[in-house]
Amino acid sequence: QQQVKQSPQSLIVQKGGISIINCAYENTAFDYFPWYQQFPGKGPALLIAIRPDVSEKKEGRFTISFNKSAKQFSLHIMDSQPGDSATYFCAASKGDDKIIFGKGTRLHILP
Amino acid sequence: EADIYQTPRYLVIGTGKKITLECSQTMGHDKMYWYQQDPGMELHLIHYSYGVNSTEKGDLSSESTVSRIRTEHFPLTLESARPSHTSQYLCASRGQGRFYGYTFGSGTRLTVV
Repeated sequence: QQQVKQSPQSLIVQKGGISIINCAYENTAFDYFPWYQQFPGKGPALLIAIRPDVSEKKEGRFTISFNKSAKQFSLHIMDSQPGDSATYFCAASKGDDKIIFGKGTRLHILP
Repeated sequence: EADIYQTPRYLVIGTGKKITLECSQTMGHDKMYWYQQDPGMELHLIHYSYGVNSTEKGDLSSESTVSRIRTEHFPLTLESARPSHTSQYLCASRGQGRFYGYTFGSGTRLTVV
């Protein structure tokens, strides 16, 4: 059973547009929801994270929206740039247990 | 500077050889992890450790083994490499507390010919 479901698998967005990646989770005990960004040849890097007691967190052009009742959270990238082209992973964890990752989304921003 | 280091970055090796992938971190983290990343991107947990002399198998069955003799060092060993072991291997560590994420190394790209 996949505990964190991520969609879409791939996404193409025009420069300046909004990129949206969605995730859904099953375990209501999860209390930490990070997003990771991975460039080719590199390991994933923590981009932004949210706790379930807030509905939104914004850091620059990156925003996480969190819907606890629907058990869904999403990453919005505003004014998307070619440098944002990467693979994005949503994730979740309970306490300091292992972090569970989604399957990833390949994002390509057209120049 | 606190970081996590993996060596080698790239390795091409013949079938049947024994190999060790190195992972070291300077952050004093107790929790460390090894992931195998397939070409389709997905991350598969193969081993983890919650401290010295503690090692556990992950969700994906792997023929590799790990050891944790020192906090900062978490090497992964393949006794006899096979082409099916060709993959990207990522090491990560996690700080203390429930709201800390993983810090990943840059990975080792292993090719077994």
